Amino acid sequence: AQTVTQSQPEMSVQEAETVTLSCTYDTSESDYYLFWYKQPPSRQMILVIRQEAYKQQNATENRFSVNFQKAAKSFSLKISDSQLGDAAMYFCVINNAGNMLTFGGGTRLMVKP
Amino acid sequence: DVKVTQSSRYLVKRTGEKVFLECVQDMDHENMFWYRQDPGLGLRLIYFSYDVKMKEKGDIPEGYSVSREKKERFSLILESASTNQTSMYLCASSSPRQLQETQYFGPGTRLLVL
Repeated sequence: AQTVTQSQPEMSVQEAETVTLSCTYDTSESDYYLFWYKQPPSRQMILVIRQEAYKQQNATENRFSVNFQKAAKSFSLKISDSQLGDAAMYFCVINNAGNMLTFGGGTRLMVKP
Repeated sequence: DVKVTQSSRYLVKRTGEKVFLECVQDMDHENMFWYRQDPGLGLRLIYFSYDVKMKEKGDIPEGYSVSREKKERFSLILESASTNQTSMYLCASSSPRQLQETQYFGPGTRLLVL
């Protein structure tokens, strides 16, 4: 069984500053993908960034980047230059061989103007 | 753009009622999923389907059933709604071709069972 743990139920960040959301996971699979999904208030869940487990290089998408530590089974999300539109629930997710997703409990990010 | 739609955004039902939640996707995806979302628990998989008329149990199938008669449509059925089924229900779809394929989510249905 796979598990994903997000230890920070809520985080806040000042607009234009940087924030890091933490995630740890456990899996027995050797081939998997990790994702961060974003769920804005009253809006649809969307993919933010994905990381292939066999790639050492950390994924980056504009202001979003990850710190993937495979041995430690850690997958944190860094948001640089935070914007008001970044306020959302963020989910750390692992995808197993069956294309099934396992979600963490989520971190609610608040952005202060 | 992939579009996943759900039949209702908000629903209020009484205990014991039969409830149908419908999901439609327009990307010809083989895989479709039903999740429920509860605070602090993230999303938990109820059922999924990888083809028409096929279904597989997820992590929490008890009290639910599903139907997939057409590729684009996946229905979640609560045979006899109970108050502990009050939750947000999310539908998703994906292509099974590659492991990294993202799932595309609908807007969710917030169900209140009284």
